[in-house]
Amino acid sequence: AQKVTQAQTEISVVEKEDVTLDCVYETRDTTYYLFWYKQPPSGELVFLIRRNSFDEQNEISGRYSWNFQKSTSSFNFTITASQVVDSAVYFCALLQGGGFKTIFGAGTRLFVKA
Amino acid sequence: EPEVTQTPSHQVTQMGQEVILRCVPISNHLYFYWYRQILGQKVEFLVSFYNNEISEKSEIFDDQFSVERPDGSNFTLKIRSTKLEDSAMYFCASNFQTGRETQYFGPGTRLLVL
Repeated sequence: AQKVTQAQTEISVVEKEDVTLDCVYETRDTTYYLFWYKQPPSGELVFLIRRNSFDEQNEISGRYSWNFQKSTSSFNFTITASQVVDSAVYFCALLQGGGFKTIFGAGTRLFVKA
Repeated sequence: EPEVTQTPSHQVTQMGQEVILRCVPISNHLYFYWYRQILGQKVEFLVSFYNNEISEKSEIFDDQFSVERPDGSNFTLKIRSTKLEDSAMYFCASNFQTGRETQYFGPGTRLLVL
């Protein structure tokens, strides 16, 4: 069975702090894809990153970075120097290779206070 | 950049009424999906659709739900007799190739059943 766990329900930080959102996944497949989406208060899902199971390289995009570790089945997301506009719900998600459905975690609500 | 669009953005209906949610996927995409997000909860897969057939559906997608691609551009989700618990945000998504590509999500339709 496939599963995505985001143990942090809510995180509150002060602007300019760094914050890491945790994601742990379960799958028996050797080929799979991991995603992070941002859901601002307006409700849409904003795609942030996709990682395939064969590529464990970490990635940095501006203030965002992702740490993929197959050994611990984790795909964590770090925001450096957080800003108020980063306040949103963040979802980690898993797609089985060759599969149709993306499985989402429960989401982590991030509050960034000025 | 091409986007998935959805109409209406909000819909209010009475319990027992039929609703049709509409989506226009990205034009060259071949695979289409519906997901649901009950307020404050995770995003859940409902159904995937390819070549005018359902390719996979979840246990949520019971006989009250149906999907259709009535023409070359629209993809619809019909709920025959809405229940209070159908109140949710419904997301349409599409991609060109399933099982490996990112699914591109529309902005969602917020459905409220009274």
